[in-house]
Amino acid sequence: AQSVTQLGSHVSVSEGALVLLRCNYSSSVPPYLFWYVQYPNQGLQLLLKYTTGATLVKGINGFEAEFKKSETSFHLTKPSAHMSDAAEYFCAPHRAGNNRKLIWGLGTSLAVNP
Amino acid sequence: KAGVTQTPRYLIKTRGQQVTLSCSPISGHRSVSWYQQTPGQGLQFLFEYFSETQRNKGNFPGRFSGRQFSNSRSEMNVSTLELGDSALYLCASSIPGPRGNEQYFGPGTRLTVT
Repeated sequence: AQSVTQLGSHVSVSEGALVLLRCNYSSSVPPYLFWYVQYPNQGLQLLLKYTTGATLVKGINGFEAEFKKSETSFHLTKPSAHMSDAAEYFCAPHRAGNNRKLIWGLGTSLAVNP
Repeated sequence: KAGVTQTPRYLIKTRGQQVTLSCSPISGHRSVSWYQQTPGQGLQFLFEYFSETQRNKGNFPGRFSGRQFSNSRSEMNVSTLELGDSALYLCASSIPGPRGNEQYFGPGTRLTVT
């Protein structure tokens, strides 16, 4: 069965520091991968996605993620954190085919300190 | 293009009652998925509807049901409410494609069961 692990349910960084949110998935078949962000009292919003092609994917708000098949990882990074980045982040690997349910990580809450 | 809308945004119900939540997808989107979000469990997939048919179902009891109308609007019903049903219920719409199922989320309905 496919699963996803987000290491660290809470991550705290200083404003201007590097943001690194970790996501590892288990799958015998490379999936499609999504990162979503949820700001307080809002729904989820797509940050970026990997389907095929270039393994380094750039998303909105300066975020990017790199698909590493050998490590079954899809970590999310941003070079310099901003206060507005404080939110909940979800990694979701996705298996193509008839059964298209997204499988969600438990989320990582990012706090940005001034 | 208008986003996904969910009504009501907030709801307080008493244990044993039933509730109906509504979701209007983005125009042209025929797939609607429902999720339950709680602090300890993250996002739990409830079900997905496509062209008025339930296509996928998560591991929830039969008290949770849904339907989709010909205009793609969807409703979710929970009968005999329990305290543990208190959660944020998210609806997401999408245009299913062969390379993954990018979802667009509504703001959610916050259900509190007392």
